[in-house]
Amino acid sequence: DARVTQTPRHKVTEMGQEVTMRCQPILGHNTVFWYRQTMMQGLELLAYFRNRAPLDDSGMPKDRFSAEMPDATLATLKIQPSEPRDSAVYFCASGGPGGEQFFGPGTRLTVL
Amino acid sequence: AQSVTQPDIHITVSEGASLELRCNYSYGATPYLFWYVQSPGQGLQLLLKYFSGDTLVQGIKGFEAEFKRSQSSFNLRKPSVHWSDAAEYFCAVGGDYKLSFGAGTTVTVRA
Repeated sequence: DARVTQTPRHKVTEMGQEVTMRCQPILGHNTVFWYRQTMMQGLELLAYFRNRAPLDDSGMPKDRFSAEMPDATLATLKIQPSEPRDSAVYFCASGGPGGEQFFGPGTRLTVL
Repeated sequence: AQSVTQPDIHITVSEGASLELRCNYSYGATPYLFWYVQSPGQGLQLLLKYFSGDTLVQGIKGFEAEFKRSQSSFNLRKPSVHWSDAAEYFCAVGGDYKLSFGAGTTVTVRA
């Protein structure tokens, strides 16, 4: 049963610390997305990659967020330095051949 | 620009009753349309999708949706809800992989 995995599932950190979230997309999927979900803003697209190349990261605060795909099996989202307003659930999704997206379970980030 | 409107923020339905969730979209070409469900603390699960062809689409968990181009709508239905259908439902539209999601509709199921 192929699925997207994300680690860690929960992260509590203090303001100013670096946070790294990891995602393993479904094998064979060549498109990877990062979303942020909050009560106030709902689901926001932060960035997405195709064939490991960033296609759109316009939704991401550039000064503190960065997203990479070191290889086809790993996508990372980093926040440095983290701020309390970054508290949210961060989802990774991988894109199937039919255009649908398959979501991971999310990383719940709390920045104190 | 693509966008999705889900007019109902919250719907309460009795177990065994029918359910319909509304979705209106804006898209410049033939849209790809999706419905996702999110249970508390979980990621989004794909219920069904429409790309082309038959405008009535069957999905998992007994859900179906109907694409109506003239109304720019893609409403989700289920004939008889179960308590386990209590969740948040998201409609999405897009093409070339990039999706726009609606704000979601929370469904509460009462016994």
